[in-house]
Amino acid sequence: QQQVKQSPQSLIVQKGGISIINCAYENTAFDYFPWYQQFPGKGPALLIAIRPDVSEKKEGRFTISFNKSAKQFSLHIMDSQPGDSATYFCAARWSGGGADGLTFGKGTHLIIQP
Amino acid sequence: KAGVTQTPRYLIKTRGQQVTLSCSPISGHRSVSWYQQTPGQGLQFLFEYFSETQRNKGNFPGRFSGRQFSNSRSEMNVSTLELGDSALYLCASRPGTGENIQYFGAGTRLSVL
Repeated sequence: QQQVKQSPQSLIVQKGGISIINCAYENTAFDYFPWYQQFPGKGPALLIAIRPDVSEKKEGRFTISFNKSAKQFSLHIMDSQPGDSATYFCAARWSGGGADGLTFGKGTHLIIQP
Repeated sequence: KAGVTQTPRYLIKTRGQQVTLSCSPISGHRSVSWYQQTPGQGLQFLFEYFSETQRNKGNFPGRFSGRQFSNSRSEMNVSTLELGDSALYLCASRPGTGENIQYFGAGTRLSVL
């Protein structure tokens, strides 16, 4: 069973601070690493994604850092805002063997305190 | 463009019953995937359909099945419901199997009593 391990399970950050969520994976065949944001009562929405040939990707206040040798990747939210309070999921996908389903981490419940 | 639509939003069933959930993908999307979300197990992949054919299947018992119609709409069926089937069932669509980005619906909340 492919696994993606996510930490921390919950995180409280002050407004304006940096939120950091970490994920580690086992299968080196994974070739796509997205982060999803989920608000209560909604389905997950794609936030940002990266491929293993890139070490960092930035979109606005959101940055993915990727360490291929360590098989780890992380999400950084700069200048965190109360509206960022949500559950964040990292995920991975591998295209080999025809398995196209995403493997998700267990999620991080992020609270940004005003 | 309308997003992924799942119906119904909420369902209450009793053990032993069966249930059918529906998903209408984004117009033009041919791939539909289903996921189960629970507090304990998180998001788990159930199966994916493309052009009316099941392409991939996650590690779930045969009680979980699905199908896709020619208009790409998909249904998921769970037979002989168990208490542990209580979950949020999410549907996601994407243009084709080569596309990575999946767009999720709001889900169907199933409660099994």
